[in-house]
Amino acid sequence: EDQVTQSPEALRLQEGESSSLNCSYTVSGLRGLFWYRQDPGKGPEFLFTLYSAGEEKEKERLKATLTKKESFLHITAPKPEDSATYLCAVQAAGDSNYQLIWGAGTKLIIKP
Amino acid sequence: DAGVTQSPTHLIKTRGQHVTLRCSPISGHKSVSWYQQVLGQGPQFIFQYYEKEERGRGNFPDRFSARQFPNYSSELNVNALLLGDSALYLCASSLSAQSYTEAFFGQGTRLTVV
Repeated sequence: EDQVTQSPEALRLQEGESSSLNCSYTVSGLRGLFWYRQDPGKGPEFLFTLYSAGEEKEKERLKATLTKKESFLHITAPKPEDSATYLCAVQAAGDSNYQLIWGAGTKLIIKP
Repeated sequence: DAGVTQSPTHLIKTRGQHVTLRCSPISGHKSVSWYQQVLGQGPQFIFQYYEKEERGRGNFPDRFSARQFPNYSSELNVNALLLGDSALYLCASSLSAQSYTEAFFGQGTRLTVV
């Protein structure tokens, strides 16, 4: 069964304290892995798409990496405005529904 | 350009009632997907429509139905509401049915069933 597991569930950091969020996945062939940011009461905001192991993408203080079993979202010198829930999702190559399978998210809190 | 628009933003319904949620995709996007997000969990896939045809259906009961109109807007209908249907309902808009590379989400409809 295709599934996505994110860890930790919650992470509290001081402003400027770098860290990483983990997304482990099990799928029957990966079409794509997606990272989204979600603020309370709002819809997910697209951050990155990764397609193959070894691929990396960066945006401001965020960097996403991909291996054959997991993805990491590295956050460097975070600011309070980076506080949000970060969601990871995968699209399986053999899924005729073309659906995204989501993890439960990591709630990131950056304290000033 | 306007983003994905969902209406209403909040809704309170009684058990057993029917509800209709609406979604207008980004101009030029022909695919609309619906997701249910229960508090503290990731979204769960309900439906995908592309070019007015259903292209995917998640593991939800037949009380859930949807359709897409010629202008690519979409409706999600839920009959015989249960307390467990309380959730944030999300609509995603994308150019194609096969890739979420350019998928954008609306702000969601918060449904509360009492």
